[in-house]
Amino acid sequence: TQLLEQSPQFLSIQEGENLTVYCNSSSVFSSLQWYRQEPGEGPVLLVTVVTGGEVKKLKRLTFQFGDARKDSSLHITAAQPGDTGLYLCAVWAAGNKLTFGGGTRVLVKP
Amino acid sequence: GAVVSQHPSWVICKSGTSVKIECRSLDFQATTMFWYRQFPKQSLMLMATSNEGSKATYEQGVEKDKFLINHASLTLSTLTVTSAHPEDSSFYICSARDRLAGKETQYFGPGTRLLVL
Repeated sequence: TQLLEQSPQFLSIQEGENLTVYCNSSSVFSSLQWYRQEPGEGPVLLVTVVTGGEVKKLKRLTFQFGDARKDSSLHITAAQPGDTGLYLCAVWAAGNKLTFGGGTRVLVKP
Repeated sequence: GAVVSQHPSWVICKSGTSVKIECRSLDFQATTMFWYRQFPKQSLMLMATSNEGSKATYEQGVEKDKFLINHASLTLSTLTVTSAHPEDSSFYICSARDRLAGKETQYFGPGTRLLVL
């Protein structure tokens, strides 16, 4: 069983539509990060959420940390082809090691 | 922002040969570096943690004699895949933790794609 479960695994939408990606766990975390990775590149940090219930916005991306700090969501409004990529949530697990969820592959078609 | 580089970005080798991948922190010192492996359409899996001046610690299921890690300086860690086989073909990504920043500050390299024929 993975520490972080992401859903859906794959999402294909048309440009202009909205989408939400989920990251769930049965464990409580002090913080959680979201990354985006494009093919052939390393992951790039989008945001770190630290407070239960926290909402952070990055242009058309809205990140929320669950009240109990066990889950998080990423919502993209009016998606664009440039939003295409692999979205990964990550937390620091035991031993201070950054551990990733399974990822959600997002394809935004023009 | 902090930059981590990897070299080479692409490598093709014959089965049985060894391949060395370098990871450098360009504008900060990294006492700790991490090596991840990513298979197609999958997430990043931590292979090992590399600490400057000491032996690396490997995750369960990762063969330390096959994946040799050396972290000889505060800006360089190397991963050597020894006697590579086709199943070692993957995308290898390193990340580095800034010595002066918080423990939860980690920067990723652009990755190295390894293809073993």
